[in-house]
Amino acid sequence: DGGITQSPKYLFRKEGQNVTLSCEQNLNHDAMYWYRQDPGQGLRLIYYSQIVNDFQKGDIAEGYSVSREKKESFPLTVTSAQKNPTAFYLCASTGAGTGELFFGEGSRLTVL
Amino acid sequence: AQKITQTQPGMFVQEKEAVTLDCTYDTSDQSYGLFWYKQPSSGEMIFLIYQGSYDEQNATEGRYSLNFQKARKSANLVISASQLGDSAMYFCAMISPYNNNDMRFGAGTRLTVKP
Repeated sequence: DGGITQSPKYLFRKEGQNVTLSCEQNLNHDAMYWYRQDPGQGLRLIYYSQIVNDFQKGDIAEGYSVSREKKESFPLTVTSAQKNPTAFYLCASTGAGTGELFFGEGSRLTVL
Repeated sequence: AQKITQTQPGMFVQEKEAVTLDCTYDTSDQSYGLFWYKQPSSGEMIFLIYQGSYDEQNATEGRYSLNFQKARKSANLVISASQLGDSAMYFCAMISPYNNNDMRFGAGTRLTVKP
């Protein structure tokens, strides 16, 4: 089945450690996105990539890094510079058409 | 800059009744798209309905309809015949080609359907 796979679903890390969240899609979409969601709040854009080997910062990119070496993959690294990394992270992609975003199931990161 | 406003943090509705979730947006772009997503407690985001800024008719998808009032910059979601499974967070969102097509979201409305 086509879709977006995020892993891990739950992740616990100690403060000061870098963490990489995986996002893979088999929808043949060009554009991919990372959002952060805090409890009871909306989604905020971290990074997005319109094409392989290119990506742009969103509204809250500080403390995060990404890469886009393959069309199917858009991993997000939460670095130790991110002051409050505990959150729910959602990856999404979009192809041609209305711009509808297709989402993964999310990764819940808890930093202890 | 684009801004999406959802003024209702929480809403309650009786099962089988209709409910309207409010959404207003602010943009200077002429071409844009408006979306509604549902987020159950499990966390996944489920696409519900889409409205293009040039669409003359309000979008409908089953029990969901979008009350699009372009001059007022509002895109309210109407859910008819509410079901218990409709209890979730609902997010209004917008994209614009002039903003690199990155989707911006409102803060969301938590809908609770009462039996």
